[in-house]
Amino acid sequence: QKEVEQNSGPLSVPEGAIASLNCTYSDRGSQSFFWYRQYSGKSPELIMSIYSNGDKEDGRFTAQLNKASQYVSLLIRDSQPSDSATYLCAVITHAGGTSYGKLTFGQGTILTVHP
Amino acid sequence: KAGVTQTPRYLIKTRGQQVTLSCSPISGHRSVSWYQQTPGQGLQFLFEYFSETQRNKGNFPGRFSGRQFSNSRSEMNVSTLELGDSALYLCASKDRHSPLHFGNGTRLTVT
Repeated sequence: QKEVEQNSGPLSVPEGAIASLNCTYSDRGSQSFFWYRQYSGKSPELIMSIYSNGDKEDGRFTAQLNKASQYVSLLIRDSQPSDSATYLCAVITHAGGTSYGKLTFGQGTILTVHP
Repeated sequence: KAGVTQTPRYLIKTRGQQVTLSCSPISGHRSVSWYQQTPGQGLQFLFEYFSETQRNKGNFPGRFSGRQFSNSRSEMNVSTLELGDSALYLCASKDRHSPLHFGNGTRLTVT
């Protein structure tokens, strides 16, 4: 089983719709969860971080975390063509002492928002 | 604040050569991590440095090595390059309370 798994894509949604991206992780001790967006040829850009169970909203983005189910999701409301990118779920594992931990990434979900 | 700076942006090397990549973290960030990104394997963790010491290491062969200097700048070295080492190499920095911030990456092509 992979440490971090994302729902297989690609995902295509019409402009204005809600895009839903899902991620599961295997390490129950994980404490920090992130969603990164990566445009083609660019480096990953942090869009959301979440550390406790529940929802966290930031503009059109909502991250949801359920530690009991080891599940993280990202909802993008009112999707725009500019949201078309690869979305990467990432989890910090093995943090402690003077290590800030390693970030383990899912394989990414390609999102296309069509006009 | 300036972001994470990686140099060079692009590199072309031939099999068997070695390469050194450089990373300057965000000012004040003491943790520097390196990642390899390929279409087939995605983003994979190479290693993390903190206070000039390697704190975490991924599952890469010993040809991949790194170091960190007292000013937190880091270098990554790959020796005896193979075709499969062609990838985007990303450096990221963080402090205890911040998420990971990535540089623009170095795209390495091995021919």
